Amino acid sequence: NAGVTQTPKFRILKIGQSMTLQCTQDMNHNYMYWYRQDPGMGLKLIYYSVGAGITDKGEVPNGYNVSRSTTEDFPLRLELAAPSQTSVYFCASSYSPGQPYEQYFGPGTRLTVT
Amino acid sequence: AQSVTQLDSHVSVSEGTPVLLRCNYSSSYSPSLFWYVQHPNKGLQLLLKYTSAATLVKGINGFEAEFKKSETSFHLTKPSAHMSDAAEYFCVVSDRRDTGTASKLTFGTGTRLQVTL
Repeated sequence: NAGVTQTPKFRILKIGQSMTLQCTQDMNHNYMYWYRQDPGMGLKLIYYSVGAGITDKGEVPNGYNVSRSTTEDFPLRLELAAPSQTSVYFCASSYSPGQPYEQYFGPGTRLTVT
Repeated sequence: AQSVTQLDSHVSVSEGTPVLLRCNYSSSYSPSLFWYVQHPNKGLQLLLKYTSAATLVKGINGFEAEFKKSETSFHLTKPSAHMSDAAEYFCVVSDRRDTGTASKLTFGTGTRLQVTL
């Protein structure tokens, strides 16, 4: 049971490039989330998903896209990278409602856009 | 609407002395409250959670927190700090009215705990 895994661990992008951050969970969680963490700040929600085929915007969705074709995977797409997207990105998952609302986090992807 | 305020951005203690990390919250409904810990270059790990059961919550590694509704606080404590406790700690609130939808967590800005010899 690996929990939540993310790839890559680190990435440097040039302005205008695109990339996909991968996230996979093996806990059969319905709910998955993408956050970004900027220095000295808490985590901000980018997008979330309540199940395969269903996604919704969080607090800071601009510049990102997501898809959820399977329960296990929730990739985050950056189409035109900008310096403001330099951050650490965390993927998380959680059980369905009825359980405590704790989320399980991956180890993060550190992205630098120059 | 919900919010979290962590009253100290940085706390320094000596090894073996008590730890107190302060957190105040605001929530329109009965909240669930969490403390997460983040060690350098690592993901977040759940320390403990409050979800309307006992107001004194015990977590991993000797940490505990007390939910005080009258003070809207959820402070994290540990009787005796260890060097391995040095990390960033986040207080988090979730509006339990979110039953049936994805639970949206609101994070505090974090408290960096330094433990010295």
